[in-house]
Amino acid sequence: NAGVMQNPRHLVRRRGQEARLRCSPMKGHSHVYWYRQLPEEGLKFMVYLQKENIIDESGMPKERFSAEFPKEGPSILRIQQVVRGDSAAYFCASSPSAYEQYFGPGTRLTVT
Amino acid sequence: AQSVTQPDIHITVSEGASLELRCNYSYGATPYLFWYVQSPGQGLQLLLKYFSGDTLVQGIKGFEAEFKRSQSSFNLRKPSVHWSDAAEYFCAVGGGSGNQFYFGTGTSLTVIP
Repeated sequence: NAGVMQNPRHLVRRRGQEARLRCSPMKGHSHVYWYRQLPEEGLKFMVYLQKENIIDESGMPKERFSAEFPKEGPSILRIQQVVRGDSAAYFCASSPSAYEQYFGPGTRLTVT
Repeated sequence: AQSVTQPDIHITVSEGASLELRCNYSYGATPYLFWYVQSPGQGLQLLLKYFSGDTLVQGIKGFEAEFKRSQSSFNLRKPSVHWSDAAEYFCAVGGGSGNQFYFGTGTSLTVIP
């Protein structure tokens, strides 16, 4: 059983461009979580999704950030008009039951 | 408010020595507690978890943790550290039912020969 997959692993964007981060959960997992990690900090919750539904987006910035988990395909975290402060590692986690989370390797976003 | 505190930002131990990483939490409901390890440039790997029952839980790689409700703590221990244990360790608390996890800021472990 493959683990949580994230791609790309590294993403470089210029200020003002869009960043799309993809997360494929483990087989059989219907819960997906996105976290952001800034250098030398812990993980900060962003959003929790189930198939086709956003359950909790209390950690998402109100502007420029959006997330989806369609019926088919991976979950997508989208950042529009990126700024330097968006540079971070973004981690996706999936869960079969919402009681424990399995993390992907992360996408490291660099905004130049 | 829900939070996790890891008081030690960085710890250095000698290989073969014992290890204890501290974790204190604040959570309004019954906590589900976790320890994760992160190697440089990698994702987080689950070491162990506590949901209920025996307050001493065993994890992978020889780690264990003890839940102490009276102290709101969930400290991670290992009797004898190996050089490969050098990594960042994160404590997390969640409430189950899909609630978000709250992570501490991590403890960086260095192991010296």
